[in-house]
Amino acid sequence: AQTVTQSQPEMSVQEAETVTLSCTYDTSESDYYLFWYKQPPSRQMILVIRQEAYKQQNATENRFSVNFQKAAKSFSLKISDSQLGDAAMYFCAYRRDGNKLVFGAGTILRVKS
Amino acid sequence: KAGVTQTPRYLIKTRGQQVTLSCSPISGHRSVSWYQQTPGQGLQFLFEYFSETQRNKGNFPGRFSGRQFSNSRSEMNVSTLELGDSALYLCASSLIGISDTQYFGPGTRLTVL
Repeated sequence: AQTVTQSQPEMSVQEAETVTLSCTYDTSESDYYLFWYKQPPSRQMILVIRQEAYKQQNATENRFSVNFQKAAKSFSLKISDSQLGDAAMYFCAYRRDGNKLVFGAGTILRVKS
Repeated sequence: KAGVTQTPRYLIKTRGQQVTLSCSPISGHRSVSWYQQTPGQGLQFLFEYFSETQRNKGNFPGRFSGRQFSNSRSEMNVSTLELGDSALYLCASSLIGISDTQYFGPGTRLTVL
């Protein structure tokens, strides 16, 4: 069974600085999808970024980028120029079969002003 | 385009009762997935429906069931409620297949007393 591990239960970053959230996963598949979702206190799960495993290039969405290391099964999220609105729980997720997402335990990100 | 909507947003039930939660996907989306979020177990996949058929199922007891209607709206039912069923139930929709991103609704907070 696939598993997703987020080893940082909580992270803090100063406003305007950069922070990296870690995620590793375990799979024997070669074709799959990886996601980072953000869940603010409102509990609405918001897609931050997605990565297709067959793509070599790391995905980027404005201030959010990933470092996808397929051989190492690592998928970290970098947030640049952190803003107060980035404070939330961040979930790393893996998808291979159908629309079943396997989530990590989450990392709480606190942004200090 | 309107997002995924879930009703009701909050629900309080007592042990032994049953409950039905509703999810309306984004217009044009045909796949609906359900997830349970608890502090102890995190986010867990319940099931996915596509074209009124269950396409994928997680590891939950038979008390958890669902269905999808011809307009892609989905309902989830939990019978004989237990205290451990208290959770945030999230619904997500996507267009059709594995390559499509899932978009989440705001969730239904179920409390079982």
